Amino acid sequence: KQEVTQIPAALSVPEGENLVLNCSFTDSAIYNLQWFRQDPGKGLTSLLLIQSSQREQTSGRLNASLDKSSGRSTLYIAASQPGDSATYLCAVRMDSSYKLIFGSGTRLLVRP
Amino acid sequence: DVKVTQSSRYLVKRTGEKVFLECVQDMDHENMFWYRQDPGLGLRLIYFSYDVKMKEKGDIPEGYSVSREKKERFSLILESASTNQTSMYLCASSFGTPSYEQYFGPGTRLTVT
Repeated sequence: KQEVTQIPAALSVPEGENLVLNCSFTDSAIYNLQWFRQDPGKGLTSLLLIQSSQREQTSGRLNASLDKSSGRSTLYIAASQPGDSATYLCAVRMDSSYKLIFGSGTRLLVRP
Repeated sequence: DVKVTQSSRYLVKRTGEKVFLECVQDMDHENMFWYRQDPGLGLRLIYFSYDVKMKEKGDIPEGYSVSREKKERFSLILESASTNQTSMYLCASSFGTPSYEQYFGPGTRLTVT
């Protein structure tokens, strides 16, 4: 059974710092992996989708990498800003399945 | 931009009431999903639909039913609301192959008293 883990559960950094959020999964037979952002009391905003054949995806200050063989993905945020404060969730989709399996998230606070 | 909307942001219902949560997407997506999100339990899939009138159970379908009469609309029904169904409910949609992203709505915070 696939399990998705995100460590740490919470992270506090000063503004301007580059940071890395981690996501690990136990079964490497994934179809793709999606990173989301969730603001308190709100829905999920899709940030990046990485297919299993890809190594990384970039969008603005965000860069997500995927290492299927080791069961890991990282989300790199460059030059963090207070507006980046949110919970970041990763989710994996197994082969040919519509279902997403979510991690429990990392709550990020960027201090001004 | 993909738009997924949910009929209510906040809802308060009494135990035993029948509750309808509505979700509408405007991107002609084949797939639609209903999740609930609870502290400590994360997001869990309740039901999903891959076509009009087609549905499949997710991980926690007990106490819920769904309806998809039109491609753009997916309804979650709580036949007889109970206090343990107090939660954040999130709707999502995607195109019909797993290669595509899921897009989420803003969520409905349901409180059952």
